[in-house]
Amino acid sequence: DAGITQSPRHKVTETGTPVTLRCHQTENHRYMYWYRQDPGHGLRLIHYSYGVKDTDKGEVSDGYSVSRSKTEDFLLTLESATSSQTSVYFCAIRTSDRSTDTQYFGPGTRLTVL
Amino acid sequence: SQQGEEDPQALSIQEGENATMNCSYKTSINNLQWYRQNSGRGLVHLILIRSNEREKHSGRLRVTLDTSKKSSSLLITASRAADTASYFCATEPTGPGNTGKLIFGQGTTLQVKP
Repeated sequence: DAGITQSPRHKVTETGTPVTLRCHQTENHRYMYWYRQDPGHGLRLIHYSYGVKDTDKGEVSDGYSVSRSKTEDFLLTLESATSSQTSVYFCAIRTSDRSTDTQYFGPGTRLTVL
Repeated sequence: SQQGEEDPQALSIQEGENATMNCSYKTSINNLQWYRQNSGRGLVHLILIRSNEREKHSGRLRVTLDTSKKSSSLLITASRAADTASYFCATEPTGPGNTGKLIFGQGTTLQVKP
């Protein structure tokens, strides 16, 4: 699992409240990604990071912000959660060597916004 | 919008049979990857094929890539009940930088009956 953990694993919150999801890696990889997974849409990229304090938007970034103050942690924040943000959120890291360019995924966080 | 379209959406076969899943995409790519997701779990990387490769094997997996048709197929031979999962193709589009951003298809759900 490339040493990736996500917290919390499950969260129920109310519309309008702020929510922060944490992704932690233990192997010092440069690239980290946040995806959301919804039925009928597969996985969609929200934001990604290519180093400390270096982040960029993905396909579905509206309503989300991210921060990376340390190599090992990549935080995803919903400033004011909405019901449309009910989803399963996956963090991933990217490894790269001569023969592979692989993303390893965390176990996911199931977020319900009521 | 989703880059990859997968076909079929669902597939049910008997143990020992072969399973074939197809993926089509829209833009030029650096590579195409296949991932597996067991119910309620994160994605697991299966195999990567680069744009200059046509076929790749890994154990019981065989992946083909036809860049002229912008399509790929994943063949699982001699399927087992443990192969029951959802399978996703993901493409890394060409473009500036080396961000490793992936665009996922909606997935094929495979059921292997014992």
